[in-house]
Amino acid sequence: DTAVSQTPKYLVTQMGNDKSIKCEQNLGHDTMYWYKQDSKKFLKIMFSYNNKELIINETVPNRFSPKSPDKAHLNLHINSLELGDSAVYFCASSKRLASGTSSYNEQFFGPGTRLTVL
Amino acid sequence: GENVEQHPSTLSVQEGDSAVIKCTYSDSASNYFPWYKQELGKGPQLIIDIRSNVGEKKDQRIAVTLNKTAKHFSLHITETQPEDSAVYFCAASNFGNEKLTFGTGTRLTIIP
Repeated sequence: DTAVSQTPKYLVTQMGNDKSIKCEQNLGHDTMYWYKQDSKKFLKIMFSYNNKELIINETVPNRFSPKSPDKAHLNLHINSLELGDSAVYFCASSKRLASGTSSYNEQFFGPGTRLTVL
Repeated sequence: GENVEQHPSTLSVQEGDSAVIKCTYSDSASNYFPWYKQELGKGPQLIIDIRSNVGEKKDQRIAVTLNKTAKHFSLHITETQPEDSAVYFCAASNFGNEKLTFGTGTRLTIIP
């Protein structure tokens, strides 16, 4: 009954490897996000998808490639991992409101994936 | 783009006392200001939010105030309890823009 789930919870890998993190939400939301939280706890958005379309793409190395096979899933693939990629990665989701409405919907966060690159 | 500053970075208060965390933002178009609580090993969770059409909002022991003129907003926790110990983040955005810009976080420790 988890709302936003991520796998794996921990990921330890060598520099240069390619790895993926998976995210799934069962809230019926149509917008999903990836955030990176560094060792100082700074939380920064990386990507956002709405109905499988990319809507936010911050300045992130192109070694990071999000993939959204459907509205309930947003996976993050990272090529050629570097030491600086070590962080906790959070997936989140929300429901986009109809245009013209004056409200904002809460973003629900997953439990995070702690990535350690050795 | 939006820039959100948050102070203090760490805060320790005696159990039962009040805690105040302050944030300032730069983009005058921002009109939505949520506060998230992150417990150890977990993802951030929304605890309260405020929209620009109100100056204050309260939910039990938690309150948030907003000063749009000065572009700052604050989180107030009264009668603090040990379970309030966590990292708190403020954020800013505007309606129709899914992008949240987060502050740098405040580690709150409640001393029993």
